[in-house]
Amino acid sequence: EDQVTQSPEALRLQEGESSSLNCSYTVSGLRGLFWYRQDPGKGPEFLFTLYSAGEEKEKERLKATLTKKESFLHITAPKPEDSATYLCAVSYNNNDMRFGAGTRLTVKP
Amino acid sequence: DADVTQTPRNRITKTGKRIMLECSQTKGHDRMYWYRQDPGLGLRLIYYSFDVKDINKGEISDGYSVSRQAQAKFSLSLESAIPNQTALYFCATAETSYNEQFFGPGTRLTVL
Repeated sequence: EDQVTQSPEALRLQEGESSSLNCSYTVSGLRGLFWYRQDPGKGPEFLFTLYSAGEEKEKERLKATLTKKESFLHITAPKPEDSATYLCAVSYNNNDMRFGAGTRLTVKP
Repeated sequence: DADVTQTPRNRITKTGKRIMLECSQTKGHDRMYWYRQDPGLGLRLIYYSFDVKDINKGEISDGYSVSRQAQAKFSLSLESAIPNQTALYFCATAETSYNEQFFGPGTRLTVL
């Protein structure tokens, strides 16, 4: 069965404490893997797209990486404003798209 | 102005009522999507459309219908709302199936 699993479900960090979020997938014909940020009461906001194993993308304190089975979103020295839910999604086959349930990140000052 | 807008933003209705949620976009994208979001389940695809004449069922289409009135407008209908359709509904657009999606602000629907 095609699945996208994110872990952990929730993560609490102190400001400056670096960590990683995981997105593992079991789909055939991966076309792309997407990371989004979602703030409470708002729609998801696009962060990164990764298309092939070994690819990396960076934006400010965030870095996304991709292997054949999973992706990591690394957060370096996070700040309270990085608190949000981070969603992973995969595009596969011809037109299928599946989202993970998300990781809720809280960064305490 | 927002690229993807949804109306209404909040709606409370009763079981058995017909409800329509509307989505408009100014990004010029052909692809439009409707998702629902439930706590712990993430976003699940209800319907998607590649153009006015091409509409496809997603993972959870039962109990829903859609209409693509124009390239810029995509509506979601609940013909007879039931309580387990209480959720947050999002519309999204994309340039292609392999590009990032742009989401609207969401509609919070409560069915009593």
